[in-house]
Amino acid sequence: AQTVTQSQPEMSVQEAETVTLSCTYDTSESDYYLFWYKQPPSRQMILVIRQEAYKQQNATENRFSVNFQKAAKSFSLKISDSQLGDAAMYFCAYRTSFGNEKLTFGTGTRLTIIP
Amino acid sequence: AAGVIQSPRHLIKEKRETATLKCYPIPRHDTVYWYQQGPGQDPQFLISFYEKMQSDKGSIPDRFSAQQFSDYHSELNMSSLELGDSALYFCASSTRTGSYYEQYFGPGTRLTVT
Repeated sequence: AQTVTQSQPEMSVQEAETVTLSCTYDTSESDYYLFWYKQPPSRQMILVIRQEAYKQQNATENRFSVNFQKAAKSFSLKISDSQLGDAAMYFCAYRTSFGNEKLTFGTGTRLTIIP
Repeated sequence: AAGVIQSPRHLIKEKRETATLKCYPIPRHDTVYWYQQGPGQDPQFLISFYEKMQSDKGSIPDRFSAQQFSDYHSELNMSSLELGDSALYFCASSTRTGSYYEQYFGPGTRLTVT
C-alpha cells in the first residue's frame, strides 16, 4: 500500500517570502500522480498543483512550483511571494495512474502567513 | 462552471440514528468518490463508484452503504450512528476521459453526532 508522509505539522512564513513544504511517499509503482491540495478555513479542498511521475520536468503554476525527486520519492511544494490568502492546511496526495483510483493523503501541513 | 454539489451541508444527528448524504457530480462525470475527514485529520477514502458500479472500497464501516444512481448522483447511507462518525464527508467526481482523471471535490457535508 502506498503511504504519504508530511513531516512538518506547521510552518510559518513572512508575507512576500518563500516557503517550502515537504512530502515523501512510498510506492512500488513506476507510474503515478502526485498532488498538492489546499484546504482553507472554509474546508473546501482545492487542487494547487499536480505532477505526473513519468515527467522529469517539475510542475509550475504561477507562484507554486514543485521539486519532484522520483528516486528519493520526494515531492516538495514551493510557494513564492507568499500572500495572506495562502494561509491554509496543505495536503500532499498520491494516486496510481491506472484508472480512477483513490487519493491517499498525507497528514497535512498548516501554513501560517505572518503579515 | 458547474461544481460538485453536496447536500445537506450540515447535519446533526443523535447516536443510533440514520443519516443520508447526497452527492451530485459534475455533469458528464462518471465516477464518484467518498472521503471522510475527522477533526484534525487528513481525508480518508471510503468508497468509489464508476458507471453505477462499486469500483473501490476503503475503510468504510459495515454500518455505511452507498450507491450511484442512473443519473450518476450518489448517496452515502449511515446507520447506527456513533459519536466517532462526526466528521466532514467529501464527495469528489471525475471522468475517465483525458489523462489526469482529476478529482473535483464538493464543499463537504459536516455531520455532527450527539
